Amino acid sequence: DAKTTQPTSMDCAEGRAANLPCNHSTISGNEYVYWYRQIHSQGPQYIIHGLKNNETNEMASLIITEDRKSSTLILPHATLRDTAVYYCIVRNPADTGANSKLTFGKGITLSVRP
Amino acid sequence: NAGVTQTPKFQVLKTGQSMTLQCAQDMNHNSMYWYRQDPGMGLRLIYYSASEGTTDKGEVPNGYNVSRLNKREFSLRLESAAPSQTSVYFCASSHRDPQPIVQYFGPGTRLTVT
Repeated sequence: DAKTTQPTSMDCAEGRAANLPCNHSTISGNEYVYWYRQIHSQGPQYIIHGLKNNETNEMASLIITEDRKSSTLILPHATLRDTAVYYCIVRNPADTGANSKLTFGKGITLSVRP
Repeated sequence: NAGVTQTPKFQVLKTGQSMTLQCAQDMNHNSMYWYRQDPGMGLRLIYYSASEGTTDKGEVPNGYNVSRLNKREFSLRLESAAPSQTSVYFCASSHRDPQPIVQYFGPGTRLTVT
């Protein structure tokens, strides 16, 4: 799996958009970008994934650059409940067996302030 | 749907004791996973199961056994607990098809071995 790099932490004001960057310069053509988050003491929660087109769901939007070497997760109206560690993961969904595991790095800690 | 459920939520064991962590999912997923998360670290895969009756070792299988008796349930057993197994244990499940594969996680079991 390609490696990802994320800033250690960032903060934003409640109600504002939170833009979380991720670099994955060694991504290969069949690898997807996944975002998960982990709120303190809870299990990781799936947010969104994409291959090359921008994606949006009820939780967030995912913007992937044309060369696919980086992406941005956008939480359009951050709330205090969005304070969490956010993980950007790149993997090939065709991987089978134990290789289908998710590799979580250190992620980025988002703090939403009132 | 309850999603992925885990029991117990908390457990304290003495060195050498045994216990079984239970995991169940109601999403009709084929694949199930056991991860452990140590403080300040990412998740590491312990065991994986592609379907009922099949299991594969992950990155850190030593000291653990698993059982996939049916499609819903995947249990993790510690035969002789050691302090190094103090951790938070997460169970996850996913569809094998269609791609891309998204994993859904349970709330975790916090285990302390003294």
